[in-house]
Amino acid sequence: TQLLEQSPQFLSIQEGENLTVYCNSSSVFSSLQWYRQEPGEGPVLLVTVVTGGEVKKLKRLTFQFGDARKDSSLHITAAQPGDTGLYLCAGASNYQLIWGAGTKLIIKP
Amino acid sequence: EAGVAQSPRYKIIEKRQSVAFWCNPISGHATLYWYQQILGQGPKLLIQFQNNGVVDDSQLPKDRFSAERLKGVDSTLKIQPAKLEDSAVYLCASSPSGSRVGNTIYFGEGSWLTVV
Repeated sequence: TQLLEQSPQFLSIQEGENLTVYCNSSSVFSSLQWYRQEPGEGPVLLVTVVTGGEVKKLKRLTFQFGDARKDSSLHITAAQPGDTGLYLCAGASNYQLIWGAGTKLIIKP
Repeated sequence: EAGVAQSPRYKIIEKRQSVAFWCNPISGHATLYWYQQILGQGPKLLIQFQNNGVVDDSQLPKDRFSAERLKGVDSTLKIQPAKLEDSAVYLCASSPSGSRVGNTIYFGEGSWLTVV
């Protein structure tokens, strides 16, 4: 069974701090996606990474796909209250999408 | 462009009752998904349709859950009879084609079910 483990499960920090969340697996994925889900809403796609070692930036968010395409990280610089939400990673393999359990992020003003 | 529409948004039922959720995907999207998301967990795929055919229903509890997409457009998910552990958000999602690498999936707002 393919698994994606996200860490930490929960993170609460002050506005302006930096943070990194991780998505790890023993399986190789053809691509990996990061989603943000706000309370009462469905997940919204932030980014898709496809190539091993790929780095993508979305304003203050930096996403990296591991060289072996088994893991990924999301780094947020100078976090803002608007970044609060559940961050989910999902790996594509054999035409299936394997989901992590998510990292619940709270940014305190 | 209209997003994925779901209804009802909220439903409270007693155990052993039945409930049905409706989903209208983004126009032209061939692939439709139903996910179950329990509080504090990631989404779990229940069923995936490609047009009106089932691609994957391996995690659908078929003794109580059923889903259909008769005309390849909108879909319904039914639970009968409901159990307490079915309390969750039921997310419908669609994509232009589900099998492509890096394909974008668009989610609806979800239908929140509480079984008491």
